[in-house]
Amino acid sequence: QVQLVQSGAEVKKPGASVRVSCKTSGYTFTNYMIHWVRQAPGQGLEWMGWINTGNGNTKYSQKFQGRVTITRDTSATTAYMEMRSLRSEDTAVFYCTRGDDVGASDSWGQGTLVTVSS
Amino acid sequence: SYVLTQPPSVSVAPGQTARIACGGDNIGIKTVHWYQQKSGQAPVVVIYHDNDRPSGIPERFSGSNSGDTAALTISRVEAGDEADYYCQVWDSRNDHPVFGGGTKLTVL
Repeated sequence: QVQLVQSGAEVKKPGASVRVSCKTSGYTFTNYMIHWVRQAPGQGLEWMGWINTGNGNTKYSQKFQGRVTITRDTSATTAYMEMRSLRSEDTAVFYCTRGDDVGASDSWGQGTLVTVSS
Repeated sequence: SYVLTQPPSVSVAPGQTARIACGGDNIGIKTVHWYQQKSGQAPVVVIYHDNDRPSGIPERFSGSNSGDTAALTISRVEAGDEADYYCQVWDSRNDHPVFGGGTKLTVL
């Protein structure tokens, strides 16, 4: 079955960077997009960016452009999201999702809590 | 960017029908997906392509989409349906997904 398994929780200091991984299995990795979605405490879902896992093309929300980089390793069927210059407001759960061909996120990782605190 | 508007909360008694609206400019020409997020869990798609249910989702869940409003309808609501629900479409102009703000469904 389709699985997206994310790396564990992180605690970072302001100004640091974090890298979250999303290991996929159960399907052909390069046939589906991977999205990253942020959810701040008590808040809704916020799309951050996507990667075309076939050709590596990416697109980012204007809010995160320049501060977030999404990459993938096709041999490891894993996607990564790196966020730099972390601030306390970035404390959130980050999800990777598999994007299907009509724009739905049909499978989600379990989420990774990133806490930014001095 | 395309904007989706949802009511912050909906309350319904067990056994009744809950309707959660999702407003957007001419949303009827877009494909709408709905996600359920229970407390402390990752979201799960409950309706995709306006009114298709993934396997494992009860028939009590259905969707509609016309004009400027899409809706998720949950019939014979159960306590286990209590969750946050999000609508989502693809913003074709900007080439990315857009989520509504979410609706908290409370089962009285």
